[in-house]
Amino acid sequence: GQNIDQPTEMTATEGAIVQINCTYQTSGFNGLFWYQQHAGEAPTFLSYNVLDGLEEKGRFSSFLSRSKGYSYLLLKELQMKDSASYLCAVSRAGTALIFGKGTTLSVSS
Amino acid sequence: KAGVTQTPRYLIKTRGQQVTLSCSPISGHRSVSWYQQTPGQGLQFLFEYFSETQRNKGNFPGRFSGRQFSNSRSEMNVSTLELGDSALYLCASSLNPGQRANYGYTFGSGTRLTVV
Repeated sequence: GQNIDQPTEMTATEGAIVQINCTYQTSGFNGLFWYQQHAGEAPTFLSYNVLDGLEEKGRFSSFLSRSKGYSYLLLKELQMKDSASYLCAVSRAGTALIFGKGTTLSVSS
Repeated sequence: KAGVTQTPRYLIKTRGQQVTLSCSPISGHRSVSWYQQTPGQGLQFLFEYFSETQRNKGNFPGRFSGRQFSNSRSEMNVSTLELGDSALYLCASSLNPGQRANYGYTFGSGTRLTVV
């Protein structure tokens, strides 16, 4: 089987930096995705990591350590619009994406 | 290009009824996956279709079924509805199952099903 864990909720203030962690246990690992989902909307793709290391995209970065079964999403210069759920999802060869339960991030002024 | 279209957006059904949800993927995308999203469980995988064939299936009872047509549009059906089936049902498309590894899925806005 597989297990994906991420914190349920996090809070932060505008302008701050927040790190959302995701740990996973799975066989046949084929990459890890991060999605953002605003309330009432569809999840949207943020990042994909298949090799160890950091991938940076503007204010958002994602890190992967395959040996530790660990990833994080780093959000810099937080804005109110970043309040959303952040979903970690693991890809395995031959199967559909499996998602964690998501982390709800609340950004306050 | 048009995104992933799910219809209807909202649905209210009574226990014991059945329901059919529809998903039209992005033009050219041939792989469609369905997920159930609830506050307590997050996104749970239902099934995945590619070229009219079910490739993968999640751990849901047989009341949940689906199919894909030759134009890649997909439908899912839930029979004998239960209160616990109330959820947001999301459809996601990708070019093909291998392509999702690099580009992920594009999700539709979902169908909000309420069972009363």
